[in-house]
Amino acid sequence: QVQLVESGGGVVQPGRSLRLSCAASGFTFDIYGMHWVRQTPGKGLEWVATIWYDGTYKYYADSVKGRFTISRDSSKSTVYLHMNSLRAEDTAVYYCARDTYLMDVWGQGTTVTVSS
Amino acid sequence: EIVMTQSPLSSPVTLGQPASISCRSSQSLVHSNGNTYFNWLQQRPGQPPRLLIYRISNRFSGVPDRFSGSGAGTDFTLKISRVEAEDVGVYYCMQATQFPNTFGQGTKLEIK
Repeated sequence: QVQLVESGGGVVQPGRSLRLSCAASGFTFDIYGMHWVRQTPGKGLEWVATIWYDGTYKYYADSVKGRFTISRDSSKSTVYLHMNSLRAEDTAVYYCARDTYLMDVWGQGTTVTVSS
Repeated sequence: EIVMTQSPLSSPVTLGQPASISCRSSQSLVHSNGNTYFNWLQQRPGQPPRLLIYRISNRFSGVPDRFSGSGAGTDFTLKISRVEAEDVGVYYCMQATQFPNTFGQGTKLEIK
């Protein structure tokens, strides 16, 4: 079945780096744009980044621009979020979602905690 | 950045009664290609968000027909004709017409 599975979350100190992965299955990965969206505890949803279906375009929220990089590997049907210079305010559950305009499939999320 | 504003932020509803949530965007959501990329999402307790309605009024696969969406331009509405216990959760509007994609604050639907 159509599925997205995130991994790579954990506890990290401020200023350090982390790489999140989102493994896709059950659909043709190469024709879909992909997003990362985060949700802070008890708060709402914040869009983080989007990568076009072929990787040609990438967009970032101002809050992560210059620190986070979204990428994809078609051979592994996986989208990544490389997070550098992490801050306490980056603490959240990170979800990946499918489709540039719909966000029609979501993963279960992976939790990132930035704390000393 | 397009700001999405939902109302109400909390909605206590009696089972079997209708519910309605509004969302207003700070600018038109009509894309240059003529489509309006406005969606409604549902997040049940402890679950990831789930797409309910896309492009204003299209129910996503598996969504019960008691959910309906309407609106145009900058004003949109989600209606539940008869609330069931499984509808409890937080509802978000969102726009994907322009980057950054933005979400409303969320409306918590609870049973009276």
